[in-house]
Amino acid sequence: KQEVTQIPAALSVPEGENLVLNCSFTDSAIYNLQWFRQDPGKGLTSLLLIQSSQREQTSGRLNASLDKSSGRSTLYIAASQPGDSATYLCAVNDYKLSFGAGTTVTVRA
Amino acid sequence: GAGVSQSPSNKVTEKGKDVELRCDPISGHTALYWYRQSLGQGLEFLIYFQGNSAPDKSGLPSDRFSAERTGGSVSTLTIQRTQQEDSAVYLCASSGQVTNTEAFFGQGTRLTVV
Repeated sequence: KQEVTQIPAALSVPEGENLVLNCSFTDSAIYNLQWFRQDPGKGLTSLLLIQSSQREQTSGRLNASLDKSSGRSTLYIAASQPGDSATYLCAVNDYKLSFGAGTTVTVRA
Repeated sequence: GAGVSQSPSNKVTEKGKDVELRCDPISGHTALYWYRQSLGQGLEFLIYFQGNSAPDKSGLPSDRFSAERTGGSVSTLTIQRTQQEDSAVYLCASSGQVTNTEAFFGQGTRLTVV
């Protein structure tokens, strides 16, 4: 059974600081890994999708890396803003999506 | 449609009643997922449909829960004889093909059993 862990569970940083969110998974036989953002009371918004053959994916201030062999992915958010405050979830796709518990980020103005 | 649509957005029901939750996936998407998110908890997998294949029902918590997908498009999640522990947000997602495309989520149905 795929187990997905996200560290840290919560993070509070001043505006402008870079964010580093970690995701680890136990079974490396995956198709892809997806990072999502969830705002309170809302659904999930897709941020980045990394295929199993890729090492990195970038979108604006967001960069995600994937090391499939070691079962790790990292989401970097550059120059954080208060609008980045949300819960970030990683999901591993090994035919169904298995989610971590998320990292709740607070960016202080 | 432009995105995954779920209805109703909120549902309050009395304990013991049956409820139906609806999901309209993105047009052309063959994969459809249902997840449950209880207050302050992570996402719990419920059921997965892929094309015409038999659904993976391994996440359904009890036989009170069932789901169907008609014509490879709209899906309905049915909870019979609702219990208070069924109170949660039920999220639906769809994707094009399981191996290499993004999954997109709806806004969810918040179910409250009183």
